[in-house]
Amino acid sequence: AQSVAQPEDQVNVAEGNPLTVKCTYSVSGNPYLFWYVQYPNRGLQFLLKYITGDNLVKGSYGFEAEFNKSQTSFHLKKPSALVSDSALYFCAVRGRVGNYQLIWGAGTKLIIKP
Amino acid sequence: NAGVTQTPKFRVLKTGQSMTLLCAQDMNHEYMYWYRQDPGMGLRLIHYSVGEGTTAKGEVPDGYNVSRLKKQNFLLGLESAAPSQTSVYFCASSYDGREDEQFFGPGTRLTVL
Repeated sequence: AQSVAQPEDQVNVAEGNPLTVKCTYSVSGNPYLFWYVQYPNRGLQFLLKYITGDNLVKGSYGFEAEFNKSQTSFHLKKPSALVSDSALYFCAVRGRVGNYQLIWGAGTKLIIKP
Repeated sequence: NAGVTQTPKFRVLKTGQSMTLLCAQDMNHEYMYWYRQDPGMGLRLIHYSVGEGTTAKGEVPDGYNVSRLKKQNFLLGLESAAPSQTSVYFCASSYDGREDEQFFGPGTRLTVL
């Protein structure tokens, strides 16, 4: 069965430090991978995606993510955190065959402290 | 360009009442989705549509019905609301069903008493 794991419910980082939000997945074949962000009382916003090609993907607001096929991971990173990055982050995966459903992680709450 | 809009934003129902949530998108997207979001559970797909006149069941379809009579609209119905349907409901749309990202509406917060 396809699944996504975000092993940390919450990540705390000091402003200006690098941040990492972890995501691992289980899907047959090569996946499509996505990161979304949700600010309080808002809908989800797309950050970045991996479809094919370069394993390092750059996205909105200075975020990037690295696709690691051997470790089945797609961790979200940013070199220098801002207080405004505080939000809920979701990883999602879809297989290249079968139905169109995105499989979502449970979310990681990112708190950036001044 | 409004993107994805949802009405209403908030609603309180009594057990057994019915209601319809409306989602509209102005991006000419083929694919539309209804999700529910519950604390600690991420998003769960209720129903989705791959084009006008078509719908399909997602992960948690029981107790919900949908219709996609027009390409830009996707309706979610609760025929007899239950407290277990208390949740935040999000509509989303995408041009392609595989590679493209989904665009989300602002959500509807539903409470069933």
